[in-house]
Amino acid sequence: DADVTQTPRNRITKTGKRIMLECSQTKGHDRMYWYRQDPGLGLRLIYYSFDVKDINKGEISDGYSVSRQAQAKFSLSLESAIPNQTALYFCATSESPGTGFSYNEQFFGPGTRLTVL
Amino acid sequence: GNSVTQMEGPVTLSEEAFLTINCTYTATGYPSLFWYVQYPGEGLQLLLKATKADDKGSNKGFEATYRKETTSFHLEKGSVQVSDSAVYFCALSGTSYGKLTFGQGTILTVHP
Repeated sequence: DADVTQTPRNRITKTGKRIMLECSQTKGHDRMYWYRQDPGLGLRLIYYSFDVKDINKGEISDGYSVSRQAQAKFSLSLESAIPNQTALYFCATSESPGTGFSYNEQFFGPGTRLTVL
Repeated sequence: GNSVTQMEGPVTLSEEAFLTINCTYTATGYPSLFWYVQYPGEGLQLLLKATKADDKGSNKGFEATYRKETTSFHLEKGSVQVSDSAVYFCALSGTSYGKLTFGQGTILTVHP
């Protein structure tokens, strides 16, 4: 079974609809992230969470909200979807870094392809 | 702020050709540098990394050397295979919360 799973894998919705993307992990990591991928722009960070009670905005959080229901679950919501939110969305996880390190490897889910009509 | 610039793609090669994908970065301090690979229909996987100047990361025949003097981390492979066809992302992390800053990605297609 995959360590980081995302549901749904594909979703088509209409402008103005509320939609939730879910992410679950079995790696036991504290840190979780939501990114969106657009052609020619790489991946950009939407939100990140260090633990259940620590949630932070990334570089493009407008129009999105998140919920960390448990260590293993991190959901991304679009309260009122708009067409320019059409993108590929990735969830990622990582361990908390040890002393003296600023980074641990991030593990990515397979992605959710969202289309807003 | 931090930024990563990758060479324009897509890149199309014949099998066994030499591959170079250029990556340059802008960052303060001493970032860690990474190459991630995304195979069709899948999420990103870490390909290799380097955490300090002059380090060489390597994996699956791919190599990249952290060059602080030229702020570069170019990806190379001596002989590509059809199975290397994927999107390659250069990325850096320079903060304590591990945020990754990605380049725009380079599509590689290898023909038999």
